[in-house]
This record gives sequence, C-alpha cells and structure tokens, in this order.
Amino acid sequence: QKEVEQNSGPLSVPEGAIASLNCTYSDRGSQSFFWYRQYSGKSPELIMFIYSNGDKEDGRFTAQLNKASQYVSLLIRDSQPSDSATYLCAVNIGGAGNKLTFGGGTRVLVKP
Amino acid sequence: DADVTQTPRNRITKTGKRIMLECSQTKGHDRMYWYRQDPGLGLRLIYYSFDVKDINKGEISDGYSVSRQAQAKFSLSLESAIPNQTALYFCATSDAGGRTDTQYFGPGTRLTVL
Repeated sequence: QKEVEQNSGPLSVPEGAIASLNCTYSDRGSQSFFWYRQYSGKSPELIMFIYSNGDKEDGRFTAQLNKASQYVSLLIRDSQPSDSATYLCAVNIGGAGNKLTFGGGTRVLVKP
Repeated sequence: DADVTQTPRNRITKTGKRIMLECSQTKGHDRMYWYRQDPGLGLRLIYYSFDVKDINKGEISDGYSVSRQAQAKFSLSLESAIPNQTALYFCATSDAGGRTDTQYFGPGTRLTVL
C-alpha cells in the first residue's frame, strides 16, 4: 500500500464549478499536509498547508483535514481554465527532519 | 532572479556516463533536497541535507551521490547513468523544519539517458 494515495484522474470539471480532490495517507503519526500545484513541465508550487483537523480557506482554495479517517482534501471553488494542472498531496510524517512523502497527483481539467 | 536555480535544464547523455546536476539557492535556507519525478509516481526523495555537514539518503538513493559544497549549493551525481534514471529531477529547499516548514522547488532538470 502506498503511503500517500491520490486518484490520478483526470478530474474534469466545468468552468465555475467546484473541483474536489482527495488524498489518503497511511501513517497515523503524520503531522502536516501540503497541497502543491504543478503545471505540465513546471515545478510544484505550494497552494497551502494544513495541520489541524477541520477546514482551512485561502482564496478559492479550501483544505480539509480528517485525521481520524486519514484523509485530506482540496476544494477549488469557481474553477477556472488556469486551474488545469496536476495537484500533488504531500505528507510530513514528522520525526527527524521535514521529509515529505508525495502522492502521485491528480490531474484536473477545467473546461470552458 | 529565481530563488532556486538548477543547471542544466535539459541533458541527454549515454549509458555509463557520469552526470552532475547542480542546484543553487539564494533563499538562505539550510535544508536542501533532491527528488526525481516519473509519470504517475509523484516525487520521490533521493537525498537530503539539513546543513553543510549533514547528508542523508532518501527512499531511492541507489545509483546517486550528492555533495553539499556550501549552504547555497547542493549537487547530485549519477556515477554511471542508466536508462531507468531518465526522469525529471527537482531540487528543493526549506527553512528550519517543523510541521509548517514549506519546501520550495527549482525549475527542474529533464534528464534523458540513452
């Protein structure tokens, strides 16, 4: 079983709709969770991180964390064609250092 | 100027050749990382360094070595390149650690081993 799992997609959403992305993780000791966006051929860029149960909002993005169920999700409201990218979930398991374990990514396509 | 730079950006080489990928940063971060990315597999950690005197293996270090020449420079070497090392390589940096510590990525090096 992979440590961090994401549906590879593509997740196709119409412009203006809400895109919902999910990520599950296996290590119950995981401390913090990061969402990165990656355009094709480019480097990952941070969208947001979360480490407490519940919701965290930043503009059109909302991260949701449920440690009991071991999942973290990302909602993109009012999706735009420029949101078309691959979204990577990364988990900091904690312990020595700040090592991140990445999921395989979910590809999102926003159709005008 | 970019905070994290990688050279070269693209490289095509032959099996058995020695290759060095370089990473430099102006963010003043102590921690640096090397990842490789293959389609559908996300990013996998090769090596990481928390300061100039600290080098640690990641999950896929076999076939790779690194050198931390200074706080700002971290190089990745493939001693004898093989075709399954064809991938996109990213360098990343982060600050002091902790659960909110964020990694910042360079633009990547696309390496092809023939």
